[in-house]
Amino acid sequence: ETGVTQSPTHLIKTRGQQVTLRCSSQSGHNTVSWYQQALGQGPQFIFQYYREEENGRGNFPPRFSGLQFPNYSSELNVNALELDDSALYLCASSSSTGSYGYTFGSGTRLTVV
Amino acid sequence: QKEVEQDPGPLSVPEGAIVSLNCTYSNSAFQYFMWYRQYSRKGPELLMYTYSSGNKEDGRFTAQVDKSSKYISLFIRDSQPSDSATYLCAMKVGSSNTGKLIFGQGTTLQVKP
Repeated sequence: ETGVTQSPTHLIKTRGQQVTLRCSSQSGHNTVSWYQQALGQGPQFIFQYYREEENGRGNFPPRFSGLQFPNYSSELNVNALELDDSALYLCASSSSTGSYGYTFGSGTRLTVV
Repeated sequence: QKEVEQDPGPLSVPEGAIVSLNCTYSNSAFQYFMWYRQYSRKGPELLMYTYSSGNKEDGRFTAQVDKSSKYISLFIRDSQPSDSATYLCAMKVGSSNTGKLIFGQGTTLQVKP
């Protein structure tokens, strides 16, 4: 399997609810990063995982959390959803060794109402 | 002031034109410079990647980095309607495959037949 796959593609949630987004890394990649892209803006770094541990975090509150599994797939969890959390959530995988390459998935479009 | 500034456009050109896209940045520690293309409802796709200063050419695309001016450019020759997309510049410090990418806002390009 090649490429980064994300699920679901679209999601509508109510303010205050919790959401889990999923990402399968590209084959051979052991590092995964999550980004939030608001409409008309560039992606903003949320956090990165390497060897199942958080390896850097952007300016996002603790209600944004994540997991990386032994097969390098990953989850992004957001608690207590706010209207401003509405965005495209992108997952990017990379290899800690080898040539440069951050491969992005197509993202999950989250709408909070 | 944002770390990376990019004119959001939109930029509209006729087919066959030479397109120039630019970003400026404030962090002199940036070492890796990238250009991504993002079609509507898709994730960013890496176009060009440059380490430190200099030029890099790939087909119709040329990337330039001027670290002394903190300025990067992407040139598209013989532009095609299929080049219509949002172009994102991105930069990072440190190891090529770990750490966060800092994106510009993105420039929307439309190439008219």
